[in-house]
Amino acid sequence: GIQVEQSPPDLILQEGANSTLRCNFSDSVNNLQWFHQNPWGQLINLFYIPSGTKQNGRLSATTVATERYSLLYISSSQTTDSGVYFCAVDGSARQLTFGSGTQLTVLP
Amino acid sequence: SAVISQKPSRDICQRGTSLTIQCQVDSQVTMMFWYRQQPGQSLTLIATANQGSEATYESGFVIDKFPISRPNLTFSTLTVSNMSPEDSSIYLCSVKTGGYNEQFFGPGTRLTVL
Repeated sequence: GIQVEQSPPDLILQEGANSTLRCNFSDSVNNLQWFHQNPWGQLINLFYIPSGTKQNGRLSATTVATERYSLLYISSSQTTDSGVYFCAVDGSARQLTFGSGTQLTVLP
Repeated sequence: SAVISQKPSRDICQRGTSLTIQCQVDSQVTMMFWYRQQPGQSLTLIATANQGSEATYESGFVIDKFPISRPNLTFSTLTVSNMSPEDSSIYLCSVKTGGYNEQFFGPGTRLTVL
């Protein structure tokens, strides 16, 4: 099946810093989504982005489908941004396969 | 999008018992899924819940251990049977709404097996 790799696995930032999270995938995809899992376990949909670029406030994402990667940008990070960020892709199997996640800690 | 609720939100159970988790969606959806997230791990798909037929299980998951029902287009249940401490996980229901590829997740059920 499709492989999804995320980097870095862990990231520690000071409040106000910017960061870039990367997601590589091994095959063509119909869907790519970014999620934020908060400390209570809730998965929050950030972006549905099989290709192109989207922005939502301090967050933006870019997917280059032909090169099989996606980037999530977080600007002016806040402590509430802490948690695990997951990339998930939907290939030929028509269901999401998740990467291993990036654990983000934003320090005050 | 879809509003998804799960019951219970958390439970502590004894080994050897079974727990049934309910998933309710506020609109009719074509595809419903059940995922497991073991402590410190990513999410793994257990099965696709098919309305009116048996669920489709992923490799490593079997119907006897994780029976699933889907009586209509807005509701599904997952039972974790004959539990052991290794079953301690967050179990999440997920849906795709008709015509869209985006998936949404319920709040999860946090299960601890003693």
